[in-house]
Amino acid sequence: AQKVTQAQTEISVVEKEDVTLDCVYETRDTTYYLFWYKQPPSGELVFLIRRNSFDEQNEISGRYSWNFQKSTSSFNFTITASQVVDSAVYFCALGAGGSEKLVFGKGTKLTVNP
Amino acid sequence: AAGVIQSPRHLIKEKRETATLKCYPIPRHDTVYWYQQGPGQDPQFLISFYEKMQSDKGSIPDRFSAQQFSDYHSELNMSSLELGDSALYFCASSLLGQGRVEQYFGPGTRLTVT
Repeated sequence: AQKVTQAQTEISVVEKEDVTLDCVYETRDTTYYLFWYKQPPSGELVFLIRRNSFDEQNEISGRYSWNFQKSTSSFNFTITASQVVDSAVYFCALGAGGSEKLVFGKGTKLTVNP
Repeated sequence: AAGVIQSPRHLIKEKRETATLKCYPIPRHDTVYWYQQGPGQDPQFLISFYEKMQSDKGSIPDRFSAQQFSDYHSELNMSSLELGDSALYFCASSLLGQGRVEQYFGPGTRLTVT
């Protein structure tokens, strides 16, 4: 069975600080996909990134970067120079098993204070 | 770019009533997923359809049913509503047949059962 663990329930930082959100996953499938979604207070789920199990390259997109390490089954997300607009709940998710239904972690609520 | 459309956006029903939620996937997407997100919870997979056939099933109550139509839109039918059915219901679509597994989520339907 697939499982995603986001150990950090809530994180609070001051604007311009860097913050890393942790994600650890479990799966027996050799082919799987990892995702990060952002859920702002308005409720919609915003797709941020997808990573394939066979592609361990880290990725940077503006202030966002992702560190995928299969050896530790982790897919961590870093926001550099955080901004108030980054305040949201962030979900890490795992897709595997053919239909690629997503299994979500419990989410990390990030609050960026001015 | 066209996104996933869900209707209605908000729905208020009484206990034991019936509700129908609709989802219109991104054009040319062949797969639709339904998720339920309770207050303060992570999204939980309910059911998915690939090319109009049910492809996977999660923790969907027997009181719920869903289908995907020839134009690829999907409907989630919920009967004998209970207070615990109050949640945000997301539909997501994907182009799974082409190996693209990003799931793009609609804005959600917020169902309140009183």
